[in-house]
Amino acid sequence: ELKVEQNPLFLSMQEGKNYTIYCNYSTTSDRLYWYRQDPGKSLESLFVLLSNGAVKQEGRLMASLDTKARLSTLHITAAVHDLSATYFCAVDKIWGGSEKLVFGKGTKLTVNP
Amino acid sequence: GAVVSQHPSRVICKSGTSVKIECRSLDFQATTMFWYRQFPKKSLMLMATSNEGSKATYEQGVEKDKFLINHASLTLSTLTVTSAHPEDSSFYICSASRGVGNQPQHFGDGTRLSIL
Repeated sequence: ELKVEQNPLFLSMQEGKNYTIYCNYSTTSDRLYWYRQDPGKSLESLFVLLSNGAVKQEGRLMASLDTKARLSTLHITAAVHDLSATYFCAVDKIWGGSEKLVFGKGTKLTVNP
Repeated sequence: GAVVSQHPSRVICKSGTSVKIECRSLDFQATTMFWYRQFPKKSLMLMATSNEGSKATYEQGVEKDKFLINHASLTLSTLTVTSAHPEDSSFYICSASRGVGNQPQHFGDGTRLSIL
């Protein structure tokens, strides 16, 4: 069974600080995704990581993937209030001809002024 | 591109009512659509996977007679919550992909269902 673990689940940080969210998964996977969810909203796709060593950056967010360690990180640089949201990682797996996304529990990020 | 529209965005209804939620892929053909449920402050839980023209595959513990899924065309899937009760209140999110294998899922905006 594919399991995805995120930590921390809650993160409160000050503006201007850096921090990293971790995502571990239990079995080999084809792709890893990071999503953002604002309260009452659906998911916004941030990154998709396809291969070992992949690194992607968008603004103050940078995601990386280590398939050997089964670990992805989402690094936040010089946080700003607008980044406050819940961040999910998800890993997909093709099982029996169908594809499934398995989500972590999410990290609720609060950036304080 | 890859826009998924979900309707309605919010519905409030009485216990015992059946509620239909639509999920449309607006600018691509969605061979596969997925339905998720999200409880407050929780992660997304996959309910079922539907392929156009065939019966949906439900995840363990999801009642297929309670949550009817129809995927009659390459751009539309519907989820009907039959005889809804307060415990069915939740945030339901659909996603659509062009198919299996290197095709990402594109998410709808979600439907907030509240059963009184």
